[in-house]
Amino acid sequence: GAGVSQSPRYKVAKRGQDVALRCDPISGHVSLFWYQQALGQGPEFLTYFQNEAQLDKSGLPSDRFFAERPEGSVSTLKIQRTQQEDSAVYLCASSWGRGLRNTEAFFGQGTRLTVV
Amino acid sequence: GNSVTQMEGPVTLSEEAFLTINCTYTATGYPSLFWYVQYPGEGLQLLLKATKADDKGSNKGFEATYRKETTSFHLEKGSVQVSDSAVYFCALNGGGSNYKLTFGKGTLLTVNP
Repeated sequence: GAGVSQSPRYKVAKRGQDVALRCDPISGHVSLFWYQQALGQGPEFLTYFQNEAQLDKSGLPSDRFFAERPEGSVSTLKIQRTQQEDSAVYLCASSWGRGLRNTEAFFGQGTRLTVV
Repeated sequence: GNSVTQMEGPVTLSEEAFLTINCTYTATGYPSLFWYVQYPGEGLQLLLKATKADDKGSNKGFEATYRKETTSFHLEKGSVQVSDSAVYFCALNGGGSNYKLTFGKGTLLTVNP
């Protein structure tokens, strides 16, 4: 596609609800990244995929967060039993190479999650 | 671990003014340094980058020089335009990871006509 696409753009969830956030990377991009951006802060790394393999999930805040990329293209970030502190913008990025060596990360517009 | 500290905003300037946004970093090894920009309603976009000491990244009139001795990567533009109004993020990649970006908190720039 033309760029990284994320859906939904906005999500309001009641505390305790499960949510799923979708990322469609640029076609053919090997690497996919998820970041969390709290209000007034810079993005913080959550997890990294190379094709379908999740190589790093060290940034996931708790075991309520789960990400997958089963066919090496579309990725889903799932948050179970949402809490108010999960309110943030969730950014997805992709790059054509492995990691960021000699390549650029292209970011989507993000999904703004509000937990009420 | 890696960290990035950038100038607190917001910054408000008149059109054609000179812009500096300070950025310093802490990292092991030899990181690559980036400036990203986020225009209203849009995703993060790479503005410029530098991959080794003394490199100068430049794009759209913006420049930043990788200074290893002062661990800095300050963003400058000689004459800002209203269309430059956005949030600017300094970031680094390195310190043992070739895929993880560490961002500063961002600086909101508003340029008035």
